Amino acid sequence: GAVVSQHPSRVICKSGTSVKIECRSLDFQATTMFWYRQFPKQSLMLMATSNEGSKATYEQGVEKDKFLINHASLTLSTLTVTSAHPEDSSFYICSAKRGFGGGTNNEQFFGPGTRLTVL
Amino acid sequence: GESVGLHLPTLSVQEGDNSIINCAYSNSASDYFIWYKQESGKGPQFIIDIRSNMDKRQGQRVTVLLNKTVKHLSLQIAATQPGDSAVYFCAENTGSGGYQKVTFGTGTKLQVIP
Repeated sequence: GAVVSQHPSRVICKSGTSVKIECRSLDFQATTMFWYRQFPKQSLMLMATSNEGSKATYEQGVEKDKFLINHASLTLSTLTVTSAHPEDSSFYICSAKRGFGGGTNNEQFFGPGTRLTVL
Repeated sequence: GESVGLHLPTLSVQEGDNSIINCAYSNSASDYFIWYKQESGKGPQFIIDIRSNMDKRQGQRVTVLLNKTVKHLSLQIAATQPGDSAVYFCAENTGSGGYQKVTFGTGTKLQVIP
């Protein structure tokens, strides 16, 4: 159980276009999903926290108008990179957390990542 | 700002030996810590976690030690195998209630020498 999928796994696009990445929790409901970005040989950097039915909370320095996040259901969150440029090329990873609030289960389940290359 | 960091960027270990990966954290308010393993081109994989009210926790071939006095976390892997080769991240959970987030450290690459 607790599987998170991402689609697509790899995408190449032209500069100026928009790209949508989907994150799905396959066998559990995720009230909270997270989006991370990882550049080569670097750590994961949290971009935003997405709670189902509410606006995403973006980390400092992340442009909310460029990285649109929608968490319309308990099993799906999408990240849209608008007007992508070569510097947006990165590995985008989502994670999902079961339940809500602190509780006793804080574990996040990570997706396999999406490799975005902007030409 | 608050951060989680690692002492060693790369660790080479002979197959069969034990590995120790270290991590320093700076947020004394963190109450939950996690170790992740990330293989090339894949998402992080949960290894083991520990709460701040504990100082040691054991799993299968892995042990996490937490020293809150010096804000230090370590991951011990017993009898390291080639399949353990990956990048390992420590992470800390911060925040409370409905807004919690996980902050990742810089990562240590573990290379297992056959």
